[in-house]
Amino acid sequence: GQNIDQPTEMTATEGAIVQINCTYQTSGFNGLFWYQQHAGEAPTFLSYNVLDGLEEKGRFSSFLSRSKGYSYLLLKELQMKDSASYLCAVVDSNYQLIWGAGTKLIIKP
Amino acid sequence: GAVVSQHPSWVICKSGTSVKIECRSLDFQATTMFWYRQFPKQSLMLMATSNEGSKATYEQGVEKDKFLINHASLTLSTLTVTSAHPEDSSFYICSARDRGEAQPQHFGDGTRLSIL
Repeated sequence: GQNIDQPTEMTATEGAIVQINCTYQTSGFNGLFWYQQHAGEAPTFLSYNVLDGLEEKGRFSSFLSRSKGYSYLLLKELQMKDSASYLCAVVDSNYQLIWGAGTKLIIKP
Repeated sequence: GAVVSQHPSWVICKSGTSVKIECRSLDFQATTMFWYRQFPKQSLMLMATSNEGSKATYEQGVEKDKFLINHASLTLSTLTVTSAHPEDSSFYICSARDRGEAQPQHFGDGTRLSIL
């Protein structure tokens, strides 16, 4: 079966750095997405990784290791507005998008 | 770029009413659109995948006669919840994907549906 694992909830302090991990076992791999979803709102696209390595986009970075079936989203200089759920999603060999359950990130002052 | 508009944002109606939700890609052509449902504090649940000009593919457990999907053009897909009941109350979200199967899905703002 296809499976994506990410922690259910994480807590971090404003101004700090947090890393949200995602591991996956899927039938094939055609890329991995990270989305941010604030409570009561639709998800917004953050990043896409298809090759190994780190992609940096402002305060957010996403890393991928295909051999390990592993990705992480790194958030720096945390702000209160970063409190949200972060969804990891993998494109499998049939180009179906497999969603993780999401990680709820709580930022404390 | 990659803006998806979903309308309406909120619907409150009586049981037995049919409700139509529109999803438009404003600045790109979406060969594929997706419809999701999300209950409070739960994960996104894919309901169906809609390809322009063809019938939608429904996920297991989703009644295609209850949730009618039409994707008549490259920029518009509609979801009609027929004879809605209180258990259909949920947050419905559409997304659209540009040409290319590994392109990201861009989401509309969602429709909060409340059936009384």
